[in-house]
Order: sequence, then structure tokens, then C-alpha cells
Amino acid sequence: RKEVEQDPGPFNVPEGATVAFNCTYSNSASQSFFWYRQDCRKEPKLLMSVYSSGNEDGRFTAQLNRASQYISLLIRDSKLSDSATYLCVGMDSSYKLIFGSGTRLLVRP
Amino acid sequence: GAVVSQHPSRVICKSGTSVKIECRSLDFQATTMFWYRQFPKQSLMLMATSNEGSKATYEQGVEKDKFLINHASLTLSTLTVTSAHPEDSSFYICSATRQGRIHNEQFFGPGTRLTVL
Repeated sequence: RKEVEQDPGPFNVPEGATVAFNCTYSNSASQSFFWYRQDCRKEPKLLMSVYSSGNEDGRFTAQLNRASQYISLLIRDSKLSDSATYLCVGMDSSYKLIFGSGTRLLVRP
Repeated sequence: GAVVSQHPSRVICKSGTSVKIECRSLDFQATTMFWYRQFPKQSLMLMATSNEGSKATYEQGVEKDKFLINHASLTLSTLTVTSAHPEDSSFYICSATRQGRIHNEQFFGPGTRLTVL
């Protein structure tokens, strides 16, 4: 079983839609979690950190449930520019990142 | 914000040659850097952890004699792919950890696309 699992998608949504991505992790050693965004043939870029209390950054909301080992990302009012692959990532105490395989989002006009 | 650079961004070489890739943290010091590899339509796979002033730690299945890592300073790590073969063609990405007050963030370099003919 992969340490971080994501639905690969693709999620194909119209502009303006709300879309939610889920992620589960099996390694309890992961202490911090993040959502990264990766565009085609580019490096991953940090979208946001994920906290148990939940955090919101504009149209993006992330949530961590340690009891269920579950992480979510909600994107409201999707834009065409949101089309990308979203990577769910855990970090252990030695700063190693453990990547999910990514969820592909396509936002259509 | 923090910036991590990689050089070269793209390299094409003949089978059997060695290729050196540099990773630099431009505005912060990084005692730990990481090297990843990403094949098409797959996620990033950690190859090794580069520790300043000490030997790198390699992930299972990664040959340390083939992928030489040197972390000579707090801002520079290098990955050398020795005797490269076509199956080594991939997107190599480094990252550097910036220690923060609340948590630590990793910043990625722009990647190096290696094509071995």
C-alpha cells in the first residue's frame, strides 16, 4: 500500500465549480502535510500547508484529520488557471517528503 | 520568497557519459537537500537525502555509485549521474529545506530534464 494515496482523476469541471480532493496516508510518522501544485513539465510548487484546525487561503481550503489519516483540499469558484496536478504530500521528522501520485484537475470554459 | 535554482535545465548526452547537475539555494542556507526523479505521468520519487558535510542517504533501490551526491556547502548540492544510460532519462528535481519558526518548508528547483541517447 502506498504511504500517501490519492485519486488520480482527472477531475473535469466547468469554470466556477467547486471541487474537492481527498488524500489518505498510512505513515503515522508524517508530521506535516502540504498540498503542492504541479504544472506539466514543471517543478511542484507549494500551494498550502495543512493543519488540523483547517486553513483557508482565498478560494482554497485544506483540512487534516489525524484520527482518520485523511487530508482534503477544496477549491471554490474554479478558474481555468487552476488546471494542474495537485500533489498531497507528507513530511516526516527528517524533512523527507512523501508524495502522493497526484490528482489531475481540468477546468473547462 | 525562497528560491532554489538548478543547472542545467536540460541536457542531452550520449550513453556512457556522466552528467553533473547543480542545485543551489539562493537566499537561504540548507543543511538538507533532496534529490528526486520523476518519470512521465508518475509522481516524484525520492532518490537521496543530501546532507551538508556528510554522506548522502540513499533510498532503497538507488545505486549510490551511479548517482553521486556531494553537498559541499550550505547552498550547493550536486548530483552526478555516472555512465548514463537511456533508462536514466528522466526529470531530476532537487529541493532544499528552509527552517521556519512554525514549520519547515521545502522549495523545489525548476528541474533538469535529462535525455540519454
